[in-house]
Amino acid sequence: ETGVTQTPRHLVMGMTNKKSLKCEQHLGHNAMYWYKQSAKKPLELMFVYSLEERVENNSVPSRFSPECPNSSHLFLHLHTLQPEDSALYLCASSQETGGTGNTIYFGEGSWLTVV
Amino acid sequence: EDQVTQSPEALRLQEGESSSLNCSYTVSGLRGLFWYRQDPGKGPEFLFTLYSAGEEKEKERLKATLTKKESFLHITAPKPEDSATYLCAVQRDSWGKLQFGAGTQVVVTP
Repeated sequence: ETGVTQTPRHLVMGMTNKKSLKCEQHLGHNAMYWYKQSAKKPLELMFVYSLEERVENNSVPSRFSPECPNSSHLFLHLHTLQPEDSALYLCASSQETGGTGNTIYFGEGSWLTVV
Repeated sequence: EDQVTQSPEALRLQEGESSSLNCSYTVSGLRGLFWYRQDPGKGPEFLFTLYSAGEEKEKERLKATLTKKESFLHITAPKPEDSATYLCAVQRDSWGKLQFGAGTQVVVTP
């Protein structure tokens, strides 16, 4: 149990579907993240939220749309995805104090397959 | 441009055979270097944070060290349960945003 819970764990969707990934953190953190992990590639940062405000969008296509209604919940809305978007999507959280070395804690990930 | 390079890509060890993983980085204003362990189909599990050159941290059979250019993760007398992919990441600015290396996949056989 990492304190960061992601649902669903596995998702198969067609290219015309709309679906959402959900993340909830129970650590009292105020920053949340979406990372993408593709086969044989390093983890890629997608979005960063601090106190429910988006502070970074790493040139992610608009077919990925994040939402952070409060500091404990984070969503990733998916629409008209491509097969190359198939990957493990990881949610994470940290205590953002502006200090050094804020540890990021990851959830178990949501495996997405686009067919 | 910041870079994080891990070597080797894969490592196969016999149980009890100690070894080291390397993480070399080029980043200005390093705020922290992180090591994670990732099991197949799971999210990364935090192991260590190192902040400054010369720092060392230990946890069971793992020991992480840091210099100005690289970090090592030493695995002493590994067991099969140490089999995993070990990820290194650097933090450059005050946010928790991390830049990851590609990882080293470690397999420990009995």
